[in-house]
Amino acid sequence: QQQVKQSPQSLIVQKGGISIINCAYENTAFDYFPWYQQFPGKGPALLIAIRPDVSEKKEGRFTISFNKSAKQFSLHIMDSQPGDSATYFCAASRGDYKLSFGAGTTVTVRA
Amino acid sequence: GAGVSQSPSNKVTEKGKDVELRCDPISGHTALYWYRQSLGQGLEFLIYFQGNSAPDKSGLPSDRFSAERTGGSVSTLTIQRTQQEDSAVYLCASSSRTRTDTQYFGPGTRLTVL
Repeated sequence: QQQVKQSPQSLIVQKGGISIINCAYENTAFDYFPWYQQFPGKGPALLIAIRPDVSEKKEGRFTISFNKSAKQFSLHIMDSQPGDSATYFCAASRGDYKLSFGAGTTVTVRA
Repeated sequence: GAGVSQSPSNKVTEKGKDVELRCDPISGHTALYWYRQSLGQGLEFLIYFQGNSAPDKSGLPSDRFSAERTGGSVSTLTIQRTQQEDSAVYLCASSSRTRTDTQYFGPGTRLTVL
């Protein structure tokens, strides 16, 4: 049973556009919400993370929006670039280590 | 050394055989994790080691799966009597004791059970 539901499964965006990936969770005990980026043949790499005491966190072109009451969080990639083409995973955990991952979203940025 | 390394990168085995997958964490990292990534699925937590503490084995799917960590460094994930549904990419990650929120992943071992 997947504890974190992620959508869409894939998306295509034009260079310079905005990519939006959504995740929803059920376990209200979750207190850590990271996003990972994975390129083909590589392991996932931590991209950005948020804790439920804030509603938004921005790092460069990447922003997490967090809605505690709706139990949802999303990743926005602004000014998408071809180098952003990858699979993105949301995750959640109680404490930091036992991550529950979403199924992943494959993002393709067209030049 | 650089990041987390895993070997072999690819493993093809026959149903019923045992396999061993190896993980070398980042030097100095006390925490080590194993995950399984099946096609079209997210990563599934398998097991967590932290220093000399008893490992959290709650994610191991059956008693055919086991893992050990020798000397607080290298870890081996063993799958006995492999089944076709064990086919997946097995990922290892490590983190420092104080920053378990930042897990560094290896490239994974792709296991194919024929």
